[in-house]
Amino acid sequence: DIQMTQSPSSLSASVGDRVTITCRASQSISNYLNWYQQKPGKAPKLLIYTASSLQSGVPSRFSGSGSGTDFTLTISSLQPEDFATYYCQQRYSTPQTFGPGTKVDIK
Amino acid sequence: QVHLQESGPGLAKPSETLSLTCTVSGGSISSYYWNWIRQPPGEGLEWIGYFYYSGGANYNPSLKSRVTISVDTSKNQFSLKLSSVTAADTAVYYCARGGPYGYNIFLDYWGQGTLVTVSS
Repeated sequence: DIQMTQSPSSLSASVGDRVTITCRASQSISNYLNWYQQKPGKAPKLLIYTASSLQSGVPSRFSGSGSGTDFTLTISSLQPEDFATYYCQQRYSTPQTFGPGTKVDIK
Repeated sequence: QVHLQESGPGLAKPSETLSLTCTVSGGSISSYYWNWIRQPPGEGLEWIGYFYYSGGANYNPSLKSRVTISVDTSKNQFSLKLSSVTAADTAVYYCARGGPYGYNIFLDYWGQGTLVTVSS
C-alpha cells in the first residue's frame, strides 16, 4: 500500500492567514492526489482533485500543487468556515489511501 | 444534484455480518463507481471498496476476505456486507460516488455517514 503522511498534524491560525498543508506519498503517485475538507460530524468534501484542479463550487482561495511524492494544499486567506480537518488521498493505486489529516483550528 | 443516503442497523454483534445500503438519487447507478469508506471514531479514513457496473467490484486487500459490495439497479442502491465483525469495525460508514464519469479518480459526492457500533 502507498502510505500518505501529512504535516503538520494540527495548526492554529487566524482569520486572514495564509495556510499551507503538506502531504507526502511513500512512492511516486504522479498527480493522482486529492484533498478533502471534513467538519465535525460531517462527510468529507472534495476540494482539489488531481493535485491542482479546483472542484466546482469550491472557493478560489483553495489551491493545490505538487507531483510525484510531495504535494501542498494552500488556503490563501483563511475564513471562519475553513476551520476543519483536511485529508489528502492518493488514487494512483489500489487500495486508495488517505493521509492522517491536518486539523486547522482557531488561534 | 446527486444525493446519497446510507441506511442500516446502527448496532452489530461480534462475529455477525454488518449490512448497509446506500440509496442514490439524482443520477443513475448504472454508471460511475460507487464506493464505501469508513472512519473509526476520532480516526482517519479507510477505503473499503467499490462497485462499478461495467467492471464489478474491487476491495481493499486488508478487508477483501470479509467484504462484498453489490448493486441493485432496480432500486438505484448499492450495498455493503462486512462479515465476522469485531469491535475494530466500529466506525462511521460512508458511501460515495467515484468520478469523473467512467473513472474513480476522486470521491465527489458523499452520503452523510452512518455510525455502526459492534458490541454484544
